[in-house]
Amino acid sequence: AQKITQTQPGMFVQEKEAVTLDCTYDTSDPSYGLFWYKQPSSGEMIFLIYQGSYDQQNATEGRYSLNFQKARKSANLVISASQLGDSAMYFCAMRPPNTPLVFGKGTRLSVIA
Amino acid sequence: GAVVSQHPSRVICKSGTSVKIECRSLDFQATTMFWYRQFPKKSLMLMATSNEGSKATYEQGVEKDKFLINHASLTLSTLTVTSAHPEDSSFYICSARWEDDEQFFGPGTRLTVL
Repeated sequence: AQKITQTQPGMFVQEKEAVTLDCTYDTSDPSYGLFWYKQPSSGEMIFLIYQGSYDQQNATEGRYSLNFQKARKSANLVISASQLGDSAMYFCAMRPPNTPLVFGKGTRLSVIA
Repeated sequence: GAVVSQHPSRVICKSGTSVKIECRSLDFQATTMFWYRQFPKKSLMLMATSNEGSKATYEQGVEKDKFLINHASLTLSTLTVTSAHPEDSSFYICSARWEDDEQFFGPGTRLTVL
């Protein structure tokens, strides 16, 4: 079975600063995908970034980057130059092939002006 | 990305009534649809997986007679909460994908049972 662990229930960051949201995972499958989603108060799930287990380089999407350390089974999300609009819940998720996404408990990020 | 819609976005009903939530993939065909449930300030919990034309597979602890799932076509899945009670109040999110491609999420349905 797959398991995702997010140990930070809440995080605060100053506007324009960078912040790292932690995520560790556990799976016995050699092939899997790692995802980060943002969920604002409206409830919609917004896809941010994806990392494949065989990808050699860390994924980046604009201000989002994924610090993938396969041996440690960690997939931390780094948000650079935080903006007030980044305040939301952030979920780490994973799935091996042909399985549904499994989510961590989430981290609530609050960006302070 | 692909678009998944849910209807209604918000529903309030009396205890004992049944509520149907629709999930549609608007610009792609979904061989598999997933239903998640999210309590306030909690994570998304997978309720069931449905493949078009076959019975849904429910996660442990989810009552299949309580949460009826139908995936009759490649673009539509429905979740019916039967004889709803206040404890069924939650945010229900559907997700859809073609084969083993990316999962796309609907905007969610907020159910309140009085």
